[in-house]
Amino acid sequence: ETGVTQTPRHLVMGMTNKKSLKCEQHLGHNAMYWYKQSAKKPLELMFVYSLEERVENNSVPSRFSPECPNSSHLFLHLHTLQPEDSALYLCASSPQGGGQFFGPGTRLTVL
Amino acid sequence: GESVGLHLPTLSVQEGDNSIINCAYSNSASDYFIWYKQESGKGPQFIIDIRSNMDKRQGQRVTVLLNKTVKHLSLQIAATQPGDSAVYFCAETLTGANSKLTFGKGITLSVRP
Repeated sequence: ETGVTQTPRHLVMGMTNKKSLKCEQHLGHNAMYWYKQSAKKPLELMFVYSLEERVENNSVPSRFSPECPNSSHLFLHLHTLQPEDSALYLCASSPQGGGQFFGPGTRLTVL
Repeated sequence: GESVGLHLPTLSVQEGDNSIINCAYSNSASDYFIWYKQESGKGPQFIIDIRSNMDKRQGQRVTVLLNKTVKHLSLQIAATQPGDSAVYFCAETLTGANSKLTFGKGITLSVRP
């Protein structure tokens, strides 16, 4: 593993549920990212945090709400999701000006 | 818009042969490039990177070549092994832009025993 951990690894939720995804990086990086990976599509960048400040929100629906309490932790709060939100959600971190290192992802299924 | 693309969706190679995976990028301002490997059920794994002031960089069994003139990136894997079977992504970025990467769709490498 790369020093980026994600929990849970698998999540099944109904459309009315509220859940949260957690990401933690042990690499001393100062930027963290959320991506969505759907079948047969390129990785889609959702959010970017740099030094705990959100610097990018790629037109993501408000049913996805990120939180970055410190440079090592990143959350993605989920509520009233749709079945088309089912995907692999990947967290990544990077040093300033460096490449991104990914976690193993959370496989999300929305029923 | 700018995009990064992979020429072929799948590549099948014989175990022990060398593999070459190609990628075209369209943003001439990009100055940092990365190859990732993603195995089934796992997140993308950083393989090797290269900056635009270089045209070749070697790692363990892997070599990345950058041709800025034609905006082309390739990943060469020597003596391909079954464990190399995965989806490979190229990604580009302009450093300083919060390391925002643009990814290609991915190419599947299948190694025949």
